[in-house]
Amino acid sequence: NAGVTQTPKFQVLKTGQSMTLQCAQDMNHEYMSWYRQDPGMGLRLIHYSVGAGITDQGEVPNGYNVSRSTTEDFPLRLLSAAPSQTSVYFCASNRDRTVFPLHFGNGTRLTVT
Amino acid sequence: KQEVTQIPAALSVPEGENLVLNCSFTDSAIYNLQWFRQDPGKGLTSLLLIQSSQREQTSGRLNASLDKSSGRSTLYIAASQPGDSATYLCAVEDRSYNTDKLIFGTGTRLQVFP
Repeated sequence: NAGVTQTPKFQVLKTGQSMTLQCAQDMNHEYMSWYRQDPGMGLRLIHYSVGAGITDQGEVPNGYNVSRSTTEDFPLRLLSAAPSQTSVYFCASNRDRTVFPLHFGNGTRLTVT
Repeated sequence: KQEVTQIPAALSVPEGENLVLNCSFTDSAIYNLQWFRQDPGKGLTSLLLIQSSQREQTSGRLNASLDKSSGRSTLYIAASQPGDSATYLCAVEDRSYNTDKLIFGTGTRLQVFP
């Protein structure tokens, strides 16, 4: 199993550009989520999904869109990048919302200039 | 609003030392508490989960305790090794809000030197 795979590893965007951060898991997990990690703030939940076709907002959803058309994939879209979205983004999954452990990808480091 | 704090922010110890990492939370109505490890440039790895009804959990040289009434958890690492060097994060699962989420602390960066 590859686990949770995130691409790209690094990305630099100019303000106003759009892009999609990819996340895929091969463990047939129902629950997937996106976090951002900023210095001094811990990880914060952006969006999550409890299964294909179902998504919901987390703590900091503004400026981000998600969709879940398959169990395996959970892309995160930045519609119009802003410098405040400079962060490290992590995708995570588990079998369902109550099961431990949570599996994380290795992250995407995004810089918006 | 639930807040999770980890002190100290950084810790440097010699190999072989037993050490304690602290995690505190402001609202004791938690569902569970988890400890994670994060290596530089990597994602988080789940270490231990303590349900709200439990007092402690053990995995190898790691022992995590939970005292809900005082809003504290500790992660005890026995006989530390250089390979334990990483950032350790705690997170509480709090289902009292509409948003289903883990609330993370900012972590303790541990360095174990030979």
